Amino acid sequence: SYELTQPPSVSVSPGQTASITCSGDKLGNKYACWYQQKPGQSPVLVIYENIKRPSGIPERFSGSNSGNTATLTISGTQAMDEADYYCQAWDRNSVVFGGGTKLTVL
Amino acid sequence: QVQLVQSGPEVKKPGASVKVSCKASGYTSTSYVIHWVRQAPGQRLEWMGWINAGNANTKYSQRFQGRVTITRDTSASTAYMELSSLISEDTSVYYCATQSQGKPHLEHWGQGTLVTVSS
Repeated sequence: SYELTQPPSVSVSPGQTASITCSGDKLGNKYACWYQQKPGQSPVLVIYENIKRPSGIPERFSGSNSGNTATLTISGTQAMDEADYYCQAWDRNSVVFGGGTKLTVL
Repeated sequence: QVQLVQSGPEVKKPGASVKVSCKASGYTSTSYVIHWVRQAPGQRLEWMGWINAGNANTKYSQRFQGRVTITRDTSASTAYMELSSLISEDTSVYYCATQSQGKPHLEHWGQGTLVTVSS
């Protein structure tokens, strides 16, 4: 079955840039999207179709997808961005989630 | 705007079944797909399956095949997820989420329903 691999954790200082990767076989040939989940809350879509931001998502969130890796980049990271982030793609009509990355802002 | 409201928390004994509902509002047609995703305490998101709100076609994760049934009632704008033969490891928050047809992402999410399996 198709797998998406994310680092378990990423740390960043406030105001710096955070990058979270998501790796999968030929992932660049698929659409990748990203969800943010804060403790006790439902996931929120932050990036879709590799690079697009839903309305209401700050411009500091951006995405890319090429080769085997999709990347979520948060520029000028703020304390409020501390959360778990999940990538997601499709494989044979099924949804696949990455294992999630805990972003710590310290 | 689109809103998904799920049924309340459930406590079940091992071997029992649970049925969780998800009522959608704000859609003007049935051109969307409803997904069910679960999350065990402290664990990752795990996709369970989807149902096309229009034609009721379904697709289930191999992991849950034979144990999960997803249905919908278009007149009530409600989808249901039933999971049978519950074990303690099924203790999770169960989410519904919607996908607009042709779009590869889950745009709207319900508030989640905690299902606890305990003897």
